[in-house]
Amino acid sequence: EAAVTQSPRNKVAVTGGKVTLSCNQTNNHNNMYWYRQDTGHGLRLIHYSYGAGSTEKGDIPDGYKASRPSQENFSLILELATPSQTSVYFCASGDRGHSYEQYFGPGTRLTVL
Amino acid sequence: GEQVEQLPSILRVQERSSASINCTYENSASNYFPWYKQEPGENPKLIIDIRSNMERKQIQGLIVLLDKKAKRFSLHITDTQPADSAMYFCAASHSGGSNYKLTFGKGTLLTVTP
Repeated sequence: EAAVTQSPRNKVAVTGGKVTLSCNQTNNHNNMYWYRQDTGHGLRLIHYSYGAGSTEKGDIPDGYKASRPSQENFSLILELATPSQTSVYFCASGDRGHSYEQYFGPGTRLTVL
Repeated sequence: GEQVEQLPSILRVQERSSASINCTYENSASNYFPWYKQEPGENPKLIIDIRSNMERKQIQGLIVLLDKKAKRFSLHITDTQPADSAMYFCAASHSGGSNYKLTFGKGTLLTVTP
């Protein structure tokens, strides 16, 4: 079974503060993804990565940065958090080969006050 | 890029009937179409997928149909049970080498009533 973990699971931040969401996968997958989920919007891709050292902008990258220091770890960084970034964030990993399946982590609920 | 439209957003059916969810996509190069099920408070989980070289796929009570000409694909759940109640997401992916990512529909909240 694929294993993707996220930390923290819940986070309350203040407007203007810095927030780092972490994701770890033990699947040895090359690709990793960060999504946010909001009611009425489904899952929207923020950033993704093809491997250690790479980050790519997704569909809604504004206000977010990403870091992939290793195969296993992928972080999402909010340098100046805003209330509009209150959401549930999911990390996912996927292989580059024949299987396109993405395996999702448990999610992080972020509230920006 | 890709845009995926999913309808309906809310679907309520009676137990043992069928439920159908429809999605359309824009990019004719999209070649992989998964369906994810998400239960309350949980993460999305893949339940069935179809690639562009197929028109129909069935896994037990789940059927996926793909019409490439119409750029439309659909999920049909037969003999629904209350345990099928959940949020369902369709997605489309255009893959080329390492460059693949999923574009999701906005989701369908399915409720199966006893």
